[in-house]
Amino acid sequence: EAGVAQSPRYKIIEKRQSVAFWCNPISGHATLYWYQQILGQGPKLLIQFQNNGVVDDSQLPKDRFSAERLKGVDSTLKIQPAKLEDSAVYLCASSPTGGDAGYGYTFGSGTRLTVV
Amino acid sequence: EDQVTQSPEALRLQEGESSSLNCSYTVSGLRGLFWYRQDPGKGPEFLFTLYSAGEEKEKERLKATLTKKESFLHITAPKPEDSATYLCAVLPYNTDKLIFGTGTRLQVFP
Repeated sequence: EAGVAQSPRYKIIEKRQSVAFWCNPISGHATLYWYQQILGQGPKLLIQFQNNGVVDDSQLPKDRFSAERLKGVDSTLKIQPAKLEDSAVYLCASSPTGGDAGYGYTFGSGTRLTVV
Repeated sequence: EDQVTQSPEALRLQEGESSSLNCSYTVSGLRGLFWYRQDPGKGPEFLFTLYSAGEEKEKERLKATLTKKESFLHITAPKPEDSATYLCAVLPYNTDKLIFGTGTRLQVFP
């Protein structure tokens, strides 16, 4: 089974610029998550989708971050404008129906964002 | 507030030197506790799920145990390839959101 695909792997941008990350979850997985992992910390949930609807975006900084999951498959996370503190790894994960599938989520390799 | 605390932050072991990693948690109701391994530049990789106090799971040199307040990841006779960051996460009953600890960075040297 193919894993969770993310692109790009790395991105360096200047502050105030915009950036977008893409995620393709495991086929058939209804639930998709975006996590932010700052260096030395554990992943923190930004947004959770169930099919193409948002379940939880309580920790998404909505003044600068946006995400969509059109057609309930691929997802895009955008930051506009970026700040220095947005430097982190952005992880996408998917799950068949939510976290109680017995194996948590399957994560992609992430996109490492550096804002200079 | 649901919370996960892992200790130690970092651990250096000699090959063959067994040890344990700790994950303490506070959660309104525990649906499951998860252990992940994360290698540099990669996403977390699933290791175990534990559901109830007293439960144990094993995989090669790793054994995870669970009590009502904490979980331990025991590493028996580790090898250099076990070097990684080990993350603990809890899944509360009232959400589908995994809550992660900050991880333990394990280094095993020959």
